[in-house]
Amino acid sequence: AQSVTQPDIHITVSEGASLELRCNYSYGATPYLFWYVQSPGQGLQLLLKYFSGDTLVQGIKGFEAEFKRSQSSFNLRKPSVHWSDAAEYFCAVGPGGYQKVTFGIGTKLQVIP
Amino acid sequence: IAGITQAPTSQILAAGRRMTLRCTQDMRHNAMYWYRQDLGLGLRLIHYSNTAGTTGKGEVPDGYSVSRANTDDFPLTLASAVPSQTSVYFCASSPGGNSYNSPLHFGNGTRLTVT
Repeated sequence: AQSVTQPDIHITVSEGASLELRCNYSYGATPYLFWYVQSPGQGLQLLLKYFSGDTLVQGIKGFEAEFKRSQSSFNLRKPSVHWSDAAEYFCAVGPGGYQKVTFGIGTKLQVIP
Repeated sequence: IAGITQAPTSQILAAGRRMTLRCTQDMRHNAMYWYRQDLGLGLRLIHYSNTAGTTGKGEVPDGYSVSRANTDDFPLTLASAVPSQTSVYFCASSPGGNSYNSPLHFGNGTRLTVT
């Protein structure tokens, strides 16, 4: 069965510092991989996605993620964090249909001045 | 602004009561979904509908029912609420059922507390 692990439940970074959020997955074939962001009191918004091609994908808001098949990872990165990036971030994995997409438990990002 | 409207925003409900969470989208998306979000468990799919007139069970369907009489509306009903159904409920939609080509659009959620 597929699964997603986000090992960091909570991360605190200083504004302007770099960020890396970890995501490891378990899936039998090449999966669809996603990162979503959830601001307080709101639903999730898609940051980026990957299925094939270049293993470094660019998303919205200056985020990028790198797919590493050998490590079963899809870590999210940002070179310089802004206070507005404080939110919860969810990694997700699955095949084509949403009824089979599995979300991770989320990583809450706190940004300090 | 096009999007998904969920109602109510929050609700406190006595155990054993019946409750319907409403979800309406104006994007003419074919597929709609109900998720619950719980601390430490992330998002889990309750029910889904790939198109009007059809529904399917997700990961945690027990205690919930849905209907999809038309494209826009996808209500979620708790027939007899229990405290374990205390959660934040999100309705979502997508143009089609393929997760890669059809991004999910989420509502702002309904916070439900069952006492």
